[in-house]
Amino acid sequence: DAKTTQPNSMESNEEEPVHLPCNHSTISGTDYIHWYRQLPSQGPEYVIHGLTSNVNNRMASLAIAEDRKSSTLILHRATLRDAAVYYCILRDPGGTSGTYKYIFGTGTRLKVLA
Amino acid sequence: EPEVTQTPSHQVTQMGQEVILRCVPISNHLYFYWYRQILGQKVEFLVSFYNNEISEKSEIFDDQFSVERPDGSNFTLKIRSTKLEDSAMYFCASSELTVPSTDTQYFGPGTRLTVL
Repeated sequence: DAKTTQPNSMESNEEEPVHLPCNHSTISGTDYIHWYRQLPSQGPEYVIHGLTSNVNNRMASLAIAEDRKSSTLILHRATLRDAAVYYCILRDPGGTSGTYKYIFGTGTRLKVLA
Repeated sequence: EPEVTQTPSHQVTQMGQEVILRCVPISNHLYFYWYRQILGQKVEFLVSFYNNEISEKSEIFDDQFSVERPDGSNFTLKIRSTKLEDSAMYFCASSELTVPSTDTQYFGPGTRLTVL
C-alpha cells in the first residue's frame, strides 16, 4: 500500500498558485519525498524531491514540514499544461541490490481552469 | 536533456503470443525498472534490475515475465504467453547510483500493450 495520502482532486484557476498537500506520517529519517506528475497518456514525470529542507526548481517548490510528516508541492503559476495527476511518493526498500521501488497511490488530479 | 525511450509505443498481440517491450535507459544509469498501469488504475511496480540481475520483483511478475539487458543500452521486458489481463501501459524507468541514494527514477513514455 502507498505510504502517502493525497486529496483525490483539486482545481485551480490559470495563473494562480496551487498548493498540493501530501501526508506521509510513517516517513523514516532517511526517506526522500519525491513528487511526480502524469499527464494523460504519458509516463510519470519527475517534478521535485527533498529530504528535510524546502526545495525549489524550475518546475515547482517543495515545502516539507518540520516533522517531515507532510509536504506540499507548490506550483507558483498554474497553466493549462499543468493539468495532470500529481503523485507524492516515498520509496519502498527491498531490493537485494539496494534498489527501491516506488509505491504509487491514486495521486491528486489537478484541474486547471482557464 | 537525457531521457528514457521505449519502443514500440503501441503493441497489439493475440492472446498466447510472446511480446518483447524495449527500453533504452539513460546512459549513465545503473538501476532499471518496469512498472505497469492498467487503464484507469494505479501505476504498479513489476521488477527492478541491477548488475544484470533481478533485484526485486512483485507478485505480478510471475514466470511468464522476464527481463534482460542484452547489450549495453537496451533493457527488455518479455511476456512469454500474453493474457487478456496483461493489457496495460508498461513503463520503463532508470536511476543512477548516487551516494546517498535519492533513487530518483526517470520514466519513459510507455508502451501500450493490447492483448486481443
